[in-house]
Amino acid sequence: DGGITQSPKYLFRKEGQNVTLSCEQNLNHDAMYWYRQDPGQGLRLIYYSQIVNDFQKGDIAEGYSVSREKKESFPLTVTSAQKNPTAFYLCASSISGTDYYEQYFGPGTRLTVT
Amino acid sequence: DQQVKQNSPSLSVQEGRISILNCDYTNSMFDYFLWYKKYPAEGPTFLISISSIKDKNEDGRFTVFLNKSAKHLSLHIVPSQPGDSAVYFCAAEYGNFNKFYFGSGTKLNVKP
Repeated sequence: DGGITQSPKYLFRKEGQNVTLSCEQNLNHDAMYWYRQDPGQGLRLIYYSQIVNDFQKGDIAEGYSVSREKKESFPLTVTSAQKNPTAFYLCASSISGTDYYEQYFGPGTRLTVT
Repeated sequence: DQQVKQNSPSLSVQEGRISILNCDYTNSMFDYFLWYKKYPAEGPTFLISISSIKDKNEDGRFTVFLNKSAKHLSLHIVPSQPGDSAVYFCAAEYGNFNKFYFGSGTKLNVKP
């Protein structure tokens, strides 16, 4: 079955530690995204990548870093510089082309930093 | 500044009746709009979309209406079912840059 996997589902870290969230897709999609969801707020874009070895900052990129070495993988690192890292993180992917396409989302990772 | 807004955080509807979820946007450049449905602790799933060249798109019980002059779109669910209870997000895109803007969501509760 094609889809997006995110692991782990729940993640706990101590303040000051970097943590990397995994996102893998086997949909053969070119574009991949990372969003953050906080209570009462919509999805806010952290980073997105339209092609391997290229990515762009979203609206709230500060304190985060990404890499896109493979088409299937788009890991997100939450660094100690991120002031409020506790949130629900969603990874998504989509076809990239001349038409409009919807995004497919993974199940999310809930990160708690104490 | 949020470019896509869902001003109703929650909506409660009786089973069998119509649910109307609303979404407003500020950027007149948006030309593609989508609705997603999200259950707790899961990722959103795509529901229905509409291009700016249309004013209506229908898929089964779900219909999306777009009013470009008012910069407003709505999702109608008829008839509503308890399984429709979820958070609904609207999203918008322009220029096919693969960058989507999401609203804050409306939590729909369909009562049996």
